[in-house]
Amino acid sequence: GAGVSQSPSNKVTEKGKDVELRCDPISGHTALYWYRQSLGQGLEFLIYFQGNSAPDKSGLPSDRFSAERTGGSVSTLTIQRTQQEDSAVYLCASSLAGWGQGYTFGSGTRLTVV
Amino acid sequence: AQSVTQPDIHITVSEGASLELRCNYSYGATPYLFWYVQSPGQGLQLLLKYFSGDTLVQGIKGFEAEFKRSQSSFNLRKPSVHWSDAAEYFCAVVAQGGSEKLVFGKGTKLTVNP
Repeated sequence: GAGVSQSPSNKVTEKGKDVELRCDPISGHTALYWYRQSLGQGLEFLIYFQGNSAPDKSGLPSDRFSAERTGGSVSTLTIQRTQQEDSAVYLCASSLAGWGQGYTFGSGTRLTVV
Repeated sequence: AQSVTQPDIHITVSEGASLELRCNYSYGATPYLFWYVQSPGQGLQLLLKYFSGDTLVQGIKGFEAEFKRSQSSFNLRKPSVHWSDAAEYFCAVVAQGGSEKLVFGKGTKLTVNP
């Protein structure tokens, strides 16, 4: 597609429920990243996929968070047993073969846990 | 590990005035440096990037940034601010030869007065 597409744009969920956030990167971009943006906290790296390599999961805050990337394209970020502190904007970005080209970000999914 | 500091959380300028947003990074070698802008409710848009060569880089929307190795800085400048420049600005760094993830500063929010 022309840009990075994220869905849903907004999600309100009850504490304890599981949520899935979707990212559809730019066609042909081999690298995909997830970031979390909390109020006053800036952008926090979560996970990075590059081609068929094992993902860099070093930023995932707990084992309630997981992500997968199917067929080297679409990625899903799953948060299990959501907590109020998970409320944030979740941003996805993609790039050609890593950082060199700069990342293109999606508009994000705003998650609110009530 | 590399880090990015944006010392100013919030800056207010008058329309037509000049602007400088500060960014300092911490890394042993020359990093790759980026400035992104985020308008309210939007994703991040790349303004400009520095990889090597000329230390003064030009970006979109009339912005420029200067890499100063001796000061570990990459400050963003614009000679005359427009009301539409009101947004949040993020400086980011990727370590050459290291992990490919972007590390962001906490951002500077720019308010433009008429």
